[in-house]
Amino acid sequence: QVLLQESGPGLVRPSETLSLTCTVSGGSIFSSISYYWAWIRQPPGKGLEWIGSLYYSGSTDYKSSLKSRLTISVDTSKTHLSLKLKSVTAADTAVYYCARLSAGPDSSASTADSWGQGTLVTVSS
Amino acid sequence: DIQMTQSPSSLSASEGDRVTITCRASQSISTYLKWYQQKPGKAPKVLIYDASSLQSGVPSRFRGSGSGTDFTLTISSLQPEDFATYYCQQSYTTPPTFGQGTNLEIK
Repeated sequence: QVLLQESGPGLVRPSETLSLTCTVSGGSIFSSISYYWAWIRQPPGKGLEWIGSLYYSGSTDYKSSLKSRLTISVDTSKTHLSLKLKSVTAADTAVYYCARLSAGPDSSASTADSWGQGTLVTVSS
Repeated sequence: DIQMTQSPSSLSASEGDRVTITCRASQSISTYLKWYQQKPGKAPKVLIYDASSLQSGVPSRFRGSGSGTDFTLTISSLQPEDFATYYCQQSYTTPPTFGQGTNLEIK
């Protein structure tokens, strides 16, 4: 059973870079072509927003409005998924989740079947 | 991006009630639709995928239906643990997008 856990600073100053890590245990990020990985955020009291994905191929997709500021990558151990969001503002305050999604072309794909517990990041001076 | 609109935004019901939540997509998404349940302070949990397929371990009182642009999640007999917020999500196109959520409260 795969377990995901997010970690990182809970407070980031405006204009700085938000950096988070998702530790994957019970398997590596590239252990199966059947899955890919995503970061999803949730501003306080609001709904869920997909912000980016990393695929088995190593390629990435980013939310268009964040593309210029966002980088998602994996470390050499293949067990840590990283998120870096530059030049943050108060609008980036949210609980950030990492999630595992099923891959494939059919309608059952892109189901987020495993989630981390989430980490709250507040952008404030 | 495909917009997902849920109704109602909030709903009050009693234990044992049957409730239905609706999700509408801004364009046809076939059955590329999932439903999630989220409790306060917790990560979402998938209930339904492929519009009507029950995720392993999810009670059979949860039922999803629909295709194209209109979808429903029905809970046949509400249990205390079902009071939560529910989200739909489309995966027909990237980016995957979520509905705004339906908060199911105890009456």
